[in-house]
Amino acid sequence: DVKVTQSSRYLVKRTGEKVFLECVQDMDHENMFWYRQDPGLGLRLIYFSYDVKMKEKGDIPEGYSVSREKKERFSLILESASTNQTSMYLCASSFFRQGKDYGYTFGSGTRLTVV
Amino acid sequence: DAKTTQPNSMESNEEEPVHLPCNHSTISGTDYIHWYRQLPSQGPEYVIHGLTSNVNNRMASLAIAEDRKSSTLILHRATLRDAAVYYCILRSENNNAGNMLTFGGGTRLMVKP
Repeated sequence: DVKVTQSSRYLVKRTGEKVFLECVQDMDHENMFWYRQDPGLGLRLIYFSYDVKMKEKGDIPEGYSVSREKKERFSLILESASTNQTSMYLCASSFFRQGKDYGYTFGSGTRLTVV
Repeated sequence: DAKTTQPNSMESNEEEPVHLPCNHSTISGTDYIHWYRQLPSQGPEYVIHGLTSNVNNRMASLAIAEDRKSSTLILHRATLRDAAVYYCILRSENNNAGNMLTFGGGTRLMVKP
């Protein structure tokens, strides 16, 4: 089975800190995604990447950046954490090949609290 | 991507079948119909997907209307562990920009013992 591993289950950071959320997948998927999930707002796409060193903005990229130096790793960076970035962050990976769609696999999530 | 409409919540009794509806009247010919579910305190997990024909797997069945404007996720015997939010999502085969999934509000399924 594909595994998507997020480095931390819970994180508490201070306002203004630079925060790194790490995500690793073990099945050679091309596509990787970062979402955040908030009550009443559902899952919203922050950034995605469809290849090493490639990145695309999602619906809410402000205040975030990403890094994909290796195919298996996709990092989400909060340049200067703010309290409105307190949320559940979910990483996912997927691939789509020869007309066949293989769906997404999600990690378990990182609950980030910014104080 | 085309939008989907689902009821906000549904209730079921344990060990009874559950039919979760989804309307997608603006679906295009290349859109796959995906279902994901999210258990409490976990990330979403893939359930099933299809294009035109009905699909079965170990988790569920997907019944797709002939005109593809609606679909139904069928859990044959609901268990307490099936209590989750179920998302119906359309995903374009032609969207190669990461093949994004756009999540709506989903249906919260409650299972009563």
